[in-house]
Amino acid sequence: AQTVTQSQPEMSVQEAETVTLSCTYDTSENNYYLFWYKQPPSRQMILVIRQEAYKQQNATENRFSVNFQKAAKSFSLKISDSQLGDTAMYFCAFMKLLNTDKLIFGTGTRLQVFP
Amino acid sequence: DTEVTQTPKHLVMGMTNKKSLKCEQHMGHRAMYWYKQKAKKPPELMFVYSYEKLSINESVPSRFSPECPNSSLLNLHLHALQPEDSALYLCASSPSDRVRTEAFFGQGTRLTVV
Repeated sequence: AQTVTQSQPEMSVQEAETVTLSCTYDTSENNYYLFWYKQPPSRQMILVIRQEAYKQQNATENRFSVNFQKAAKSFSLKISDSQLGDTAMYFCAFMKLLNTDKLIFGTGTRLQVFP
Repeated sequence: DTEVTQTPKHLVMGMTNKKSLKCEQHMGHRAMYWYKQKAKKPPELMFVYSYEKLSINESVPSRFSPECPNSSLLNLHLHALQPEDSALYLCASSPSDRVRTEAFFGQGTRLTVV
């Protein structure tokens, strides 16, 4: 069975600074997807970034980038130039490549961006 | 249109009531999902519909009854719920169960059972 662990229940960062959220996972699969979702107070889960396990290059979306270490089963999210609108709950999630529709979520990290 | 629309946004119902939650997407996605999320917890998968057929039921109590009338619509019928069923119910869709990409989520229905 797959598990996703987020060891930081809460994080805070000052506006314009950089913050890194940690995520580790456990799986025996070789091909899979990893995601970071953001859930602001508006409640909607918004995809921040995704990574295909077969790609060695780390995914980047504007101010968001990941450090994907497949051997270590680590998938951290770096937010650069933090903005007040980044305040949200961040969930790391895992999905097998084939034969399942399940997104397996970590427990989440609440990020607060201060002015 | 990259939206998943859920109605209503808020719902308060008594334990003897029957109500329905509605989810709609017009992205041509063929997989649709219901998740339940309690406060400060991650979403928990309830049901998956793939090509309008129920493909996953995560041992959800029968007081929750999903329905997929067509490829754009997903309903969740509620009957005889308990106060512990109060939660945020999220609907999501993804392109297909054979092509693994991200799921798009709606804003959820905040359900309170009194």
